[in-house]
Amino acid sequence: AQTVTQSQPEMSVQEAETVTLSCTYDTSESDYYLFWYKQPPSRQMILVIRQEAYKQQNATENRFSVNFQKAAKSFSLKISDSQLGDAAMYFCAHSGGSNYKLTFGKGTLLTVNP
Amino acid sequence: DTGVSQNPRHKITKRGQNVTFRCDPISEHNRLYWYRQTLGQGPEFLTYFQNEAQLEKSRLLSDRFSAERPKGSFSTLEIQRTEQGDSAMYLCASSGVRADTQYFGPGTRLTVL
Repeated sequence: AQTVTQSQPEMSVQEAETVTLSCTYDTSESDYYLFWYKQPPSRQMILVIRQEAYKQQNATENRFSVNFQKAAKSFSLKISDSQLGDAAMYFCAHSGGSNYKLTFGKGTLLTVNP
Repeated sequence: DTGVSQNPRHKITKRGQNVTFRCDPISEHNRLYWYRQTLGQGPEFLTYFQNEAQLEKSRLLSDRFSAERPKGSFSTLEIQRTEQGDSAMYLCASSGVRADTQYFGPGTRLTVL
């Protein structure tokens, strides 16, 4: 079974500064994928970034980057130059196996202060 | 590519009534997933289709829940004899060539009175 743990229920950051959201996971799969999704208030889930577990290089998408530590089963998200529009619930998720179903953490609510 | 769409966006019903939700995936996406999200929690997997075949159902999906995907296009999720515990956001997602990456719809928020 797969589990995803986000230990920070809430985080806050000043506009233009950097924040890191934590995620750990456990999996029985040898080949799997990790994701960060963003869910703004009353809006739909948006894919932020994707990491293939077999790749050692950390994924980057503009201001968003991950620190993937496979041995430690850790997958943190760094948001640089934070913007007001980054305020949202962030979910870490795992998928693997032939069905690719997602297992989500409980989420981290990010507040961006002007 | 218009994204995943879901209808209705909101549904209020009385306990014991039946409800049906619809999901239209991204065109040509052959995989379709249903998730349920309750307040303060991450989404939980309910069921998954590859084309028209329903390949996996979660233990969360009681006998009152049924899902279909006729012709491998849109999907419907029906809940019979709704209970207050069914109140949640029901999310649909689809994936295509890159099977591991799912794109979500806006969800249907169900309130059971």
